[in-house]
Amino acid sequence: GAGVSQSPSNKVTEKGKDVELRCDPISGHTALYWYRQSLGQGLEFLIYFQGNSAPDKSGLPSDRFSAERTGGSVSTLTIQRTQQEDSAVYLCASSSGTGVFREQYFGPGTRLTVT
Amino acid sequence: QKEVEQDPGPLSVPEGAIVSLNCTYSNSAFQYFMWYRQYSRKGPELLMYTYSSGNKEDGRFTAQVDKSSKYISLFIRDSQPSDSATYLCATGWGQNFVFGPGTRLSVLP
Repeated sequence: GAGVSQSPSNKVTEKGKDVELRCDPISGHTALYWYRQSLGQGLEFLIYFQGNSAPDKSGLPSDRFSAERTGGSVSTLTIQRTQQEDSAVYLCASSSGTGVFREQYFGPGTRLTVT
Repeated sequence: QKEVEQDPGPLSVPEGAIVSLNCTYSNSAFQYFMWYRQYSRKGPELLMYTYSSGNKEDGRFTAQVDKSSKYISLFIRDSQPSDSATYLCATGWGQNFVFGPGTRLSVLP
């Protein structure tokens, strides 16, 4: 079956530009997560959605970062006025949101390079 | 102190070797313990998870958790070149997952 998909797979942008990263979760998954992975760093949690609401935005590194989810499905992560330190792989994951342990299924990521 | 610490590697072993990967964590509230495998330019995929202290086996893989010392291990027996990847430990509770930085493993034929 279809897994989590993300687009674009690669994005090169100039410092100061805005970027939008898209995540299509597995159909029926109610929970959606965004992470950032930098070289040598672990997965840094950014934000979590349950349905369309985001009960936990604690990981967003600054007010330049925002995310939304519509229709309980697709999510968009927006980074405004990009900085070079925003360069990383941005990973999206989804889970069924049920059960005690909720396995997260990851997409392939978007590799963002800010020049 | 980071919530989850992991030997960074990289680690290179010959084919057939036993591999030991380790993590420590700081928060005793963590309930789940997981190992993810991440191939180059791919997202992580869940390899194993467990709730409790002790060992859990799945084929050539054994996950070990010691809650008293907050120590997580993954053992790979008869390692294969196809096991070459980055292995991330993770722990958490509810919807809160914390990941280690990962250990890059190379299994040489």
